[in-house]
Amino acid sequence: EDQVTQSPEALRLQEGESSSLNCSYTVSGLRGLFWYRQDPGKGPEFLFTLYSAGEEKEKERLKATLTKKESFLHITAPKPEDSATYLCAVHNFNKFYFGSGTKLNVKP
Amino acid sequence: DAGVIQSPRHEVTEMGQEVTLRCKPISGHNSLFWYRQTMMRGLELLIYFNNNVPIDDSGMPEDRFSAKMPNASFSTLKIQPSEPRDSAVYFCASSLGQGISNEKLFFGSGTQLSVL
Repeated sequence: EDQVTQSPEALRLQEGESSSLNCSYTVSGLRGLFWYRQDPGKGPEFLFTLYSAGEEKEKERLKATLTKKESFLHITAPKPEDSATYLCAVHNFNKFYFGSGTKLNVKP
Repeated sequence: DAGVIQSPRHEVTEMGQEVTLRCKPISGHNSLFWYRQTMMRGLELLIYFNNNVPIDDSGMPEDRFSAKMPNASFSTLKIQPSEPRDSAVYFCASSLGQGISNEKLFFGSGTQLSVL
């Protein structure tokens, strides 16, 4: 069964404390893996697309990496404004499958 | 660009009533998607359109749900009759691509639906 699993469900960090979020998937025919950020009361906002194992993308304090079975979103020296829910989605030939997200809370 | 526009932002209705959610995609985008988000099931794709034509509606939960896209700038999702288990946030998203492709989705702000 095609599935996307994100861990942890929730993560609390102190400002400046780096960490990683995980997205593992069992989707056949992967055509891309996407990371989105969702703030309360808003729709998800696109962050990255990764297409092949070994690929990396960076944006400010965020860095996304991809292997054959999982993706990591590394957050370096996070700030309170990085607090949000981070969603990953995988795309196969037919659909997008979204994970349930990791809710990140960065304390000052 | 105004982005994807959804209305209403909040809808509270009673069980059995008809509910209509509306979406205006980004101008020039060829694909439109309706998603439902709940704590239990996360984001679920309900249906998507390509060039105003429904391509995949396998995510529509049952016949009480229907969606239309009469033109490139407007889509509706209708629930009739509504039930309490339909309570969720409904998102509309659009993208440039032809069908589902490796292109990013632009989401609206969602409609928070509460069925009492």
